[in-house]
Amino acid sequence: QKEVEQDPGPLSVPEGAIVSLNCTYSNSAFQYFMWYRQYSRKGPELLMYTYSSGNKEDGRFTAQVDKSSKYISLFIRDSQPSDSATYLCAMRGSYIPTFGRGTSLIVHP
Amino acid sequence: DSGVTQTPKHLITATGQRVTLRCSPRSGDLSVYWYQQSLDQGLQFLIQYYNGEERAKGNILERFSAQQFPDLHSELNLSSLELGDSALYFCASSASLRGRSPDEQFFGPGTRLTVL
Repeated sequence: QKEVEQDPGPLSVPEGAIVSLNCTYSNSAFQYFMWYRQYSRKGPELLMYTYSSGNKEDGRFTAQVDKSSKYISLFIRDSQPSDSATYLCAMRGSYIPTFGRGTSLIVHP
Repeated sequence: DSGVTQTPKHLITATGQRVTLRCSPRSGDLSVYWYQQSLDQGLQFLIQYYNGEERAKGNILERFSAQQFPDLHSELNLSSLELGDSALYFCASSASLRGRSPDEQFFGPGTRLTVL
């Protein structure tokens, strides 16, 4: 079993939909949880960063961490075609981050 | 544009060869991270340098080595290349006062390595 599991998709939704992206993990030592967005032929860029359990909101994006279930989510409200990208979850305990394989999201007009 | 630069953008070489990938971090960033991204393995952390010294090591093969120079740029050396080394190699930098958190990493555009 991989330390971080993420469904690769693709996930195809219509413009305006609410998108839910998820990761599960097995390492209880993870304390920092991140979501990155990666457009085709580009490097990943950090979207959200949370420490420990709870919710964090930034505009149309909400990150949720449930440490008891070892489950993290990223919600995108009012999705736009420009949100079409691969979304990678990442988490770490100390220095070394572990990434999910990424979920490909397609938002069609 | 993240401010992290990587050269070259593309590299095509043969098995058994050696290549050097170069990364310049964002101005003021002291940490440099190297990652390998392939379709089957996803994004794998290789190694981190902080102000010239190795800070953390991930799944880096013995055939691979890296260093960070006094001007803070970094190089990743890949030797005895195999077909399976074909991947995207990303550099990221962090430890800047401008980051949203102490850990925010800014990724470069990557170097696509193809081993034939």
